[in-house]
Amino acid sequence: GESVGLHLPTLSVQEGDNSIINCAYSNSASDYFIWYKQESGKGPQFIIDIRSNMDKRQGQRVTVLLNKTVKHLSLQIAATQPGDSAVYFCAENRGAAGNKLTFGGGTRVLVKP
Amino acid sequence: DTAVSQTPKYLVTQMGNDKSIKCEQNLGHDTMYWYKQDSKKFLKIMFSYNNKELIINETVPNRFSPKSPDKAHLNLHINSLELGDSAVYFCASSQDQVNQPQHFGDGTRLSIL
Repeated sequence: GESVGLHLPTLSVQEGDNSIINCAYSNSASDYFIWYKQESGKGPQFIIDIRSNMDKRQGQRVTVLLNKTVKHLSLQIAATQPGDSAVYFCAENRGAAGNKLTFGGGTRVLVKP
Repeated sequence: DTAVSQTPKYLVTQMGNDKSIKCEQNLGHDTMYWYKQDSKKFLKIMFSYNNKELIINETVPNRFSPKSPDKAHLNLHINSLELGDSAVYFCASSQDQVNQPQHFGDGTRLSIL
């Protein structure tokens, strides 16, 4: 079935470098996308979201890019810090009622000092 | 000042037992959710309620029964627990049910012996 997917299970990044986490989605009807960060023993923490009428959105040290042509979503983290080490999930709302989010499989980011 | 709180944090019980997980949010949100996260970190929605009304009911065994006494609470009762129910269960809430970030609790780790 259609799904959001992440195919890089682990990303190792040097502290201070920029990180890019990628996500592919398959449903062209998806109109809302969101990134979460999950630390060990914690729940997913909202990072940033983007609607399908936008292709870029920036937050504090993070940028989300949406390419609807190739159905690709990415999260860029600037100047990665040790506290950024976590599992990152993308999720999409396929336009269904009830704010139903379909999550990708997650990418683990390891920040090396 | 916890936004979404779940109890208990850990739940260890035997197969066949009945257990409940409680969730409360103090964000004034209208919509609440239950998710299941398996051992591979895959997050899947189970239910959502909007202002005490069931909105999303995924393909979940009817041994799982959510109950929302008011819009700030969404509890999950599980009958006749099975080994496959072992997972981390997350409660979440959002302002409403239209493309809004969902805010998660820290999860309840359920282990079935």
